[in-house]
Amino acid sequence: EPEVTQTPSHQVTQMGQEVILRCVPISNHLYFYWYRQILGQKVEFLVSFYNNEISEKSEIFDDQFSVERPDGSNFTLKIRSTKLEDSAMYFCASSGLTGGRAWGDNEQFFGPGTRLTVL
Amino acid sequence: GQQVMQIPQYQHVQEGEDFTTYCNSSTTLSNIQWYKQRPGGHPVFLIQLVKSGEVKKQKRLTFQFGEAKKNSSLHITATQTTDVGTYFCADSGAGSYQLTFGKGTKLSVIP
Repeated sequence: EPEVTQTPSHQVTQMGQEVILRCVPISNHLYFYWYRQILGQKVEFLVSFYNNEISEKSEIFDDQFSVERPDGSNFTLKIRSTKLEDSAMYFCASSGLTGGRAWGDNEQFFGPGTRLTVL
Repeated sequence: GQQVMQIPQYQHVQEGEDFTTYCNSSTTLSNIQWYKQRPGGHPVFLIQLVKSGEVKKQKRLTFQFGEAKKNSSLHITATQTTDVGTYFCADSGAGSYQLTFGKGTKLSVIP
């Protein structure tokens, strides 16, 4: 069964450093997402990406964050200057819409996550 | 997405007992999705409800969407230890694919 993969599984970084989290969405999916989950809390939406551009973003997704699809398979989240409060589990997800607003078809497949620890 | 409130936050049940988690919104939801997250795992899609009053079943799980589309519930009959995890409802607002998750209900099943 196809699945979303993410690397690394755990990233430890110093405050102020840049990190890049990587994801490989399911190959025939069109929409890609990043969510984060601070330990013990709910899953929070960061950004969605479609047709090589950001389609929606939340207030969390400020100028320190960026996303990129550098090739046909990878989808990355970059945090330019990490803060302590960026420590969280970051989940990538993808959904397999065939195009247009098919409201009954937005099951999102989540990857295993990258645990980011900012020291 | 809209704000969705989910209760209870925690639920401990004896194996074999039933379990219900509720999701509520002050405004009309366009559709509601339910996800399960095992401890240390990632959210896994369970179901999506779209129509007012919709009821869907998956084996021991029953999902309902309220008539006014402002609330939803997930009911598990005769819980098993494999049901352990956190159950989240999530709203996908009209014109949007972002999911707004509730805070989740963490289910513990005592064998």
